[in-house]
Amino acid sequence: GENVEQHPSTLSVQEGDSAVIKCTYSDSASNYFPWYKQELGKRPQLIIDIRSNVGEKKDQRIAVTLNKTAKHFSLHITETQPEDSAVYFCAARVQGNNRLAFGKGNQVVVIP
Amino acid sequence: DVKVTQSSRYLVKRTGEKVFLECVQDMDHENMFWYRQDPGLGLRLIYFSYDVKMKEKGDIPEGYSVSREKKERFSLILESASTNQTSMYLCASSPVAGSTDTQYFGPGTRLTVL
Repeated sequence: GENVEQHPSTLSVQEGDSAVIKCTYSDSASNYFPWYKQELGKRPQLIIDIRSNVGEKKDQRIAVTLNKTAKHFSLHITETQPEDSAVYFCAARVQGNNRLAFGKGNQVVVIP
Repeated sequence: DVKVTQSSRYLVKRTGEKVFLECVQDMDHENMFWYRQDPGLGLRLIYFSYDVKMKEKGDIPEGYSVSREKKERFSLILESASTNQTSMYLCASSPVAGSTDTQYFGPGTRLTVL
């Protein structure tokens, strides 16, 4: 099955700086790549996603890039703010499948 | 607004007890999922269901079973709870693949098995 890995496991950034989290996946048939944010004590929520026919997608301060050849995708957060502190999960879904394979999560800490 | 609810936020059970965790969604979603979340291990899929009375094993089904008698309700059952099943359990739902793929999560149930 699909295997998703996230790096680094913990990332600390100064407020205002950028944060980048990278995920790699194993199955070249995967075609959907969402990112979920989980704040402390809360449920994971989708923040951005990308499909395999697109190389980049942006939504205000967050963006996701996809490199299908290298089988990796990255979350970019610009001008980080304290409310960006959370655990971020990447995931991948193989075409025709109902399930997502999640990475283990990245703890992002924004230092004021 | 999609709503996924879980029967309990916190639950304490004893080893050997039968435990029921219930999840209800109000958006007529076909797919429902049960995950287990442990520190450093991320979200691991226990079971999922893509239709009423249908179920499929996820990555860690051992020690668990599920029931989906109605479309909106998906139950996770621990037949005989053990201490290594102490964890946060998250339910999620999503529409049929290809329409919109977002999984919507419930608030979670923190289960402690003593």
